[in-house]
Amino acid sequence: DSGVTQTPKHLITATGQRVTLRCSPRSGDLSVYWYQQSLDQGLQFLIQYYNGEERAKGNILERFSAQQFPDLHSELNLSSLELGDSALYFCASSSQGSPLHFGNGTRLTVT
Amino acid sequence: AQKITQTQPGMFVQEKEAVTLDCTYDTSDPSYGLFWYKQPSSGEMIFLIYQGSYDQQNATEGRYSLNFQKARKSANLVISASQLGDSAMYFCAMREGASNDYKLSFGAGTTVTVRA
Repeated sequence: DSGVTQTPKHLITATGQRVTLRCSPRSGDLSVYWYQQSLDQGLQFLIQYYNGEERAKGNILERFSAQQFPDLHSELNLSSLELGDSALYFCASSSQGSPLHFGNGTRLTVT
Repeated sequence: AQKITQTQPGMFVQEKEAVTLDCTYDTSDPSYGLFWYKQPSSGEMIFLIYQGSYDQQNATEGRYSLNFQKARKSANLVISASQLGDSAMYFCAMREGASNDYKLSFGAGTTVTVRA
């Protein structure tokens, strides 16, 4: 168990809808990362938050947004969903000098 | 250009034998880190091993070792004494720059199947 908790494990929704993915980092980890794993794009870095502030941005679409709350949990919001957004979304967390630990992912299916 | 290249889509290995997974990388930053992750069929990503660009010795973690050849820009993973539980997808990843942040670039992965 990595200590990173993601909910829900599975999500099935329709095109055009909006969903929220939730992540609780490992205790003490200030950085939270979101990654997307899809069949065509592979594993891609989306965004990083550090102690509530956005720290780095990757290939995140404008339809997607994220935030990190004072208790350090994070949410990834995906809106106007398209079939191509179907993927496994990982949250990961780290602290200084520690490896990156991934959650078990949320599998999103857009129908 | 691809930052991480894994040229072996799939490999078969006999139980108890060793297997080498290839990874080449591309960066102009003198400071970088290389990682290997394992993804079983259940989907979670498991950290295996890390090599820093300034590390003089190859990293080892139990049955995992990293064959780091800086001049060739390769960071191959060697799994010794393969076990059935090693069957999984393996990803090579790179972090560029001296920061401790994990904006990683991943390769396409190699699927390893261990045969009894």
